[in-house]
Amino acid sequence: SQKIEQNSEALNIQEGKTATLTCNYTNYSPAYLQWYRQDPGRGPVFLLLIRENEKEKRKERLKVTFDTTLKQSLFHITASQPADSATYLCALRDDKIIFGKGTRLHILP
Amino acid sequence: GAVVSQHPSRVICKSGTSVKIECRSLDFQATTMFWYRQFPKKSLMLMATSNEGSKATYEQGVEKDKFLINHASLTLSTLTVTSAHPEDSSFYICSARDTGLAEYNEQFFGPGTRLTVL
Repeated sequence: SQKIEQNSEALNIQEGKTATLTCNYTNYSPAYLQWYRQDPGRGPVFLLLIRENEKEKRKERLKVTFDTTLKQSLFHITASQPADSATYLCALRDDKIIFGKGTRLHILP
Repeated sequence: GAVVSQHPSRVICKSGTSVKIECRSLDFQATTMFWYRQFPKKSLMLMATSNEGSKATYEQGVEKDKFLINHASLTLSTLTVTSAHPEDSSFYICSARDTGLAEYNEQFFGPGTRLTVL
């Protein structure tokens, strides 16, 4: 069966450090992989999209890597800030978007 | 950026009543809209894909007679939870696909509707 796994339900990172979140998938061959941020009681907000033929994508303090051989994506937030605290969702994009369970990231001041 | 709105943002109803949730794309046309449900500390689960002018496509395990979807225009889709029960209490989120963005056919998400059934 198809699965998307985000390996940490919750992650605590000290302010200023780099937060790294992992997303693994099985039995998918996605054209795109996306990362979203979701704050409590709100809908997801799109952050980054990476195509299957791209290895890395950057946007300000965010970096995403996509390894189709390992079937894994890493999501990095550098110089993390308390305002980065949220749930981050990995999503695979085929005809529709399928989400992972998310990782709750807490940046500790 | 593209904006999707949902109304209401919160609704509390009695068991057995029906509740309608609206999803609107405010500054773009969306031939396709999606409805998701999210339980606490769980991921978004796709319920159905709503296509303008045609019947919605429901995911496995989602009762189409329970969750009525209407997509009558390019900017509005509605989800009606019929004869709601406490187990239907959840966070309902819609998204709309911008048909004008050819490269990604990107989806934009609404802010969600919190349904509580007493």
